Amino acid sequence: EAQVTQNPRYLITVTGKKLTVTCSQNMNHEYMSWYRQDPGLGLRQIYYSMNVEVTDKGDVPEGYKVSRKEKRNFPLILESPSPNQTSLYFCASSLQGDEQFFGPGTRLTVL
Amino acid sequence: LAKTTQPISMDSYEGQEVNITCSHNNIATNDYITWYQQFPSQGPRFIIQGYKTKVTNEVASLFIPADRKSSTLSLPRVSLSDTAVYYCLVGVPSTGRRALTFGSGTRLQVQP
Repeated sequence: EAQVTQNPRYLITVTGKKLTVTCSQNMNHEYMSWYRQDPGLGLRQIYYSMNVEVTDKGDVPEGYKVSRKEKRNFPLILESPSPNQTSLYFCASSLQGDEQFFGPGTRLTVL
Repeated sequence: LAKTTQPISMDSYEGQEVNITCSHNNIATNDYITWYQQFPSQGPRFIIQGYKTKVTNEVASLFIPADRKSSTLSLPRVSLSDTAVYYCLVGVPSTGRRALTFGSGTRLQVQP
């Protein structure tokens, strides 16, 4: 089944404790992206990747890191999480950025 | 970045046609317009994409005027299951290395 998977789905952590949210797609898509969704603000893009080893900032990249070492994986790294990064995170992939397929979401709470 | 503006919310009744308009005044020449649907606690789902004039698929139509500064998503004969948030998105990364910007979305409530 063609899909985008994210792990974990739910995470509660404390300020400053490094964490990684994994994202994987099995559709051989070149384009992958991370979004965060907050009430009243819609979806905001954090980082995106046009292909392996090619990443670029979205609208709200501060406090996040990403890497794209393999085509199928695009992990989101929070080196030192803060409470303002409490949010619902979505990973997405697409062939070339047109029709994006979204993962189920990761709900992160930073205390 | 091409910003989009949509109504915050809309109400409709089952069986009616719903039109949601998105404003994107600074759309670039190569930008496409894409609409997504999102249900609570789920990721957005692609509905339709277009560049100009009219595009139709099995679930919706997309109308884009000649100046492309706005677009209208048309949902024919909505049902309760169409209650969701609808997002307009402008830009396609394959045309250049640019971020994608979603608007705040339109919350559609369909009543029986």
